[in-house]
Amino acid sequence: AQSVTQLDSQVPVFEEAPVELRCNYSSSVSVYLFWYVQYPNQGLQLLLKYLSGSTLVKGINGFEAEFNKSQTSFHLRKPSVHISDTAEYFCAVSESGGGADGLTFGKGTHLIIQP
Amino acid sequence: ETGVTQTPRHLVMGMTNKKSLKCEQHLGHNAMYWYKQSAKKPLELMFVYSLEERVENNSVPSRFSPECPNSSHLFLHLHTLQPEDSALYLCASSQGQGHQHTEAFFGQGTRLTVV
Repeated sequence: AQSVTQLDSQVPVFEEAPVELRCNYSSSVSVYLFWYVQYPNQGLQLLLKYLSGSTLVKGINGFEAEFNKSQTSFHLRKPSVHISDTAEYFCAVSESGGGADGLTFGKGTHLIIQP
Repeated sequence: ETGVTQTPRHLVMGMTNKKSLKCEQHLGHNAMYWYKQSAKKPLELMFVYSLEERVENNSVPSRFSPECPNSSHLFLHLHTLQPEDSALYLCASSQGQGHQHTEAFFGQGTRLTVV
């Protein structure tokens, strides 16, 4: 069985500062990894995904994440955040590409940008 | 039209009511999903439909009844719900074959309140 742990439920950051949102996973097989963002009163939007290849993945809105197999981590980073980045961020894992078997999500990290 | 559309966006219903949530995807995908998002809990996969056949039902109470009349539409019929069923219900879709799918695309959700 697969599982996802997001270590921080809430991360406050000042505007224009860098941020890292942590995600660790467990699985007995190879996995696909995703970060989704949920703005207030909205659904989930895919930020980026790791399927294979380069372990550094770049996504939308200036976000990137690095897959570390030995540490079973997939932390999300942004070098300079903006007020508009305030949202809930979800890390997810799938053993099948993200579709038919569904995704296993972490509990989410609320990113709070302070002016 | 956005990729995955859910209606209504908000729903308040009594415990004895019967209502339905609707989801429509305009992406040509062949799989659709219902997720439940409750406060302080990870997203929970409820139902999976692939090629209009239900392939997964994660021990969801029978007061939730899904229906997938075609590959573009998915319904969630609700009856005699409990207050703890209040949550954001998210629909998603993906494209693939067997267990290999693209990432899931989500609708904006229906915020359900049971009174």
